[in-house]
Amino acid sequence: KQEVTQIPAALSVPEGENLVLNCSFTDSAIYNLQWFRQDPGKGLTSLLLIQSSQREQTSGRLNASLDKSSGRSTLYIAASQPGDSATYLCAVRLISSGSARQLTFGSGTQLTVLP
Amino acid sequence: DVKVTQSSRYLVKRTGEKVFLECVQDMDHENMFWYRQDPGLGLRLIYFSYDVKMKEKGDIPEGYSVSREKKERFSLILESASTNQTSMYLCASEVGSSYNEQFFGPGTRLTVL
Repeated sequence: KQEVTQIPAALSVPEGENLVLNCSFTDSAIYNLQWFRQDPGKGLTSLLLIQSSQREQTSGRLNASLDKSSGRSTLYIAASQPGDSATYLCAVRLISSGSARQLTFGSGTQLTVLP
Repeated sequence: DVKVTQSSRYLVKRTGEKVFLECVQDMDHENMFWYRQDPGLGLRLIYFSYDVKMKEKGDIPEGYSVSREKKERFSLILESASTNQTSMYLCASEVGSSYNEQFFGPGTRLTVL
């Protein structure tokens, strides 16, 4: 069964710092990996989607990389701001019948950016 | 922009009541999903649907049913609400392929007393 792990569970950094969030998964046979942001009490906002054939995706100050062979993805946030404070979740979609439409989620990293 | 809306942000119900949670998407997506999110357990898939009147069980379907009569609307039904169904419920939708982004609604915080 696919397991998705995000370490650390919580991270606190001063404003302006560049930071990296980690996501690891046990089954490398994936269609894609998606990073989300969740503010307290709210739904998930899609940040980046990386297909299995891609190495990275960029959107503004965010850059996500994917290394399928090692079962890892990182989300890089440049010049962090207090508004980046949220929980960040990664999710993978497996290549296997029956679960091909399902995402498997990590438990998230709670990020706090201090002003 | 894709918009996924849910009928209520907060809902309080009594044990034994029948509860309907509604989700509507405006982008003609084929696939729709219902998750629940609980501290320490993360997001868990309850049911999903890949077409009108089609549904498949997710990881935790017990105590729930769903209805998809129109493409844009996916309803989650708690036949007889119980306190262990107190949770955040999230609806999502996506284009009908395994290569696309999944988009989420704002969530419904359900409390069952």
